[in-house]
Amino acid sequence: NAGVMQNPRHLVRRRGQEARLRCSPMKGHSHVYWYRQLPEEGLKFMVYLQKENIIDESGMPKERFSAEFPKEGPSILRIQQVVRGDSAAYFCASSPPGLAGGDEQYFGPGTRLTVT
Amino acid sequence: DAKTTQPPSMDCAEGRAANLPCNHSTISGNEYVYWYRQIHSQGPQYIIHGLKNNETNEMASLIITEDRKSSTLILPHATLRDTAVYYCIVRGVVASGTYKYIFGTGTRLKVLA
Repeated sequence: NAGVMQNPRHLVRRRGQEARLRCSPMKGHSHVYWYRQLPEEGLKFMVYLQKENIIDESGMPKERFSAEFPKEGPSILRIQQVVRGDSAAYFCASSPPGLAGGDEQYFGPGTRLTVT
Repeated sequence: DAKTTQPPSMDCAEGRAANLPCNHSTISGNEYVYWYRQIHSQGPQYIIHGLKNNETNEMASLIITEDRKSSTLILPHATLRDTAVYYCIVRGVVASGTYKYIFGTGTRLKVLA
């Protein structure tokens, strides 16, 4: 059973460009979470999605950031007009469907975004 | 904001038990305690979780105090590969369906040869 897949693993963008980060959850998982980790800091929650629905986006910056999890295909985290402060590691996690409080999240290897 | 407090760093001799403490004094009755670790800059790896009772799996043991205000992760025989940042996370089941983890700064465990 393949784990959570993220691509690309490394992404370099110039200021003002767009960054698209992809996440394929584990097979059978329908919950996806995105986290951001700045250098030497812990992970910060950004957004929680289920298929075709954004459930909690309380950690998303108000501008330039968006996320989706379509019925078919991977979840996408999109950053428009990137700035140097967006440079970070972006991690995706997935968990199984259902409301069981004990379900753990499985993390992908992350995408390291560098804005030059 | 994180609901947990952990020491910033700890050292442990190889082969010895590593005991990592975590305070979560504001934990609610339906909130679980999760432990993850992050090796270098890899994605966090799930270790163990619990609600009230102590738990054990092939990686570690989790001891939760009776009042649930603190817990300890025990790695019974630490190896050099256990060197990592260990995160203690309190996660609740919210009616809206939110299951986000709120990470603190974690404990940087260094296993010494």
